[in-house]
Amino acid sequence: SQQGEEDPQALSIQEGENATMNCSYKTSINNLQWYRQNSGRGLVHLILIRSNEREKHSGRLRVTLDTSKKSSSLLITASRAADTASYFCATDGDPGNMLTFGGGTRLMVKP
Amino acid sequence: GAVVSQHPSRVICKSGTSVKIECRSLDFQATTMFWYRQFPKQSLMLMATSNEGSKATYEQGVEKDKFLINHASLTLSTLTVTSAHPEDSSFYICSARPYLTVYYTFGSGTRLTVV
Repeated sequence: SQQGEEDPQALSIQEGENATMNCSYKTSINNLQWYRQNSGRGLVHLILIRSNEREKHSGRLRVTLDTSKKSSSLLITASRAADTASYFCATDGDPGNMLTFGGGTRLMVKP
Repeated sequence: GAVVSQHPSRVICKSGTSVKIECRSLDFQATTMFWYRQFPKQSLMLMATSNEGSKATYEQGVEKDKFLINHASLTLSTLTVTSAHPEDSSFYICSARPYLTVYYTFGSGTRLTVV
């Protein structure tokens, strides 16, 4: 079943702008992960933030986690046309250590 | 890094026929594989968890007799869509978690079209 919602569902920006996507979840988690999916392809792992972390950076990516609000955000700075894709948050919690995905945000970066 | 190879990438079949989708972990052993289904512009929905050497665990609402899962070795899991119907048309993706990692590796997906 789907863990929660992502906001916005779709986002269109110009190259060079920042893109922010938000994710909410419902249950307790061990970690929260962000994945990227190009159209018609599999998912690629971007970044993971553990439940005891509040912020994490990786290149142009910045992830925050607020466990009290059960929410996370993904910021992509200085966006490029190649960042056009769908972005999903996924939570990893008990049982079974399986991922549960949010609804996804479709990002379009216009050149 | 760890790779999951999924085949075929696209398949078109006639109603009533069966289709087999394979997922192989290429450089790691996957005792567990996860099978997802994704409709256009929607998220991934977990269908079943495939366990090497034992029966798969299906999510609520997923027909085990329609979606047969076999995980006969530590590197291969298969999903067979039996007696396919047009409503089974979807994007199917497998994933596994390499040992001692916390992230998951995904196959490239299979686009199934039933006509």
